[in-house]
Amino acid sequence: QSVLTQPPSASGTPGQRVTISCSGSSSNIGSNYVYWYQQLPGTAPKLLIYRNNQRPSGVPDRFSGSKSGTSASLAISGLRSEDEADYYCAAWDDSLRGVFGTGTKVTVL
Amino acid sequence: QVQLVESGGGVVQPGRSLRLSCAASGFTFSSYGMHWVRQAPGKGLEWVAVISYDGSNKYYADSVKGRFTISRDNSKNTLYLQMNSLRAEDTAVYYCAKDWVAWGQGTLVTVSS
Repeated sequence: QSVLTQPPSASGTPGQRVTISCSGSSSNIGSNYVYWYQQLPGTAPKLLIYRNNQRPSGVPDRFSGSKSGTSASLAISGLRSEDEADYYCAAWDDSLRGVFGTGTKVTVL
Repeated sequence: QVQLVESGGGVVQPGRSLRLSCAASGFTFSSYGMHWVRQAPGKGLEWVAVISYDGSNKYYADSVKGRFTISRDNSKNTLYLQMNSLRAEDTAVYYCAKDWVAWGQGTLVTVSS
């Protein structure tokens, strides 16, 4: 089951900034890297952010990640229609298991 | 470029077994830990298992511990997931992933009588 808590939904108009939170604990986010994924309908998850705030090549700089204590955030600036998707955070937990967030559906109004 | 291709999914009756494979290419397979992650229809992502680069360490989600076994053959650049005593709740798309970074396209496992 999901151990990291995300808001179920977020929305914005084109050009706006949207932020998604990911709340965990000292055993996961508090002591390990956070990863963020984008999942378009019917496709595999795609890595957006690794090691808390690093962007893989090819990911627009509109996407940014941050971490503070036991929480992390993904920000999408300059929201575009193609950003409409599900977003998940993930981390390793010191109890020797991987953990994912509950997922956030982003809607572009 | 990194490529991960899962195979072995299908329809299986409850209580039966299935083995998934993940063929890796485009990177030095024997240098990376590998994960299995699943997604039930209409649900979120669930971590299943991880194996270290050399196969010496394996960890599992509580939901599959004792029923699933992760393994790898570095000579064949292939990751496996042996799934025994399958249940309806194991129905999902199963993805293999290189570290946390690159994912395959997934293979669908349906457990149904």
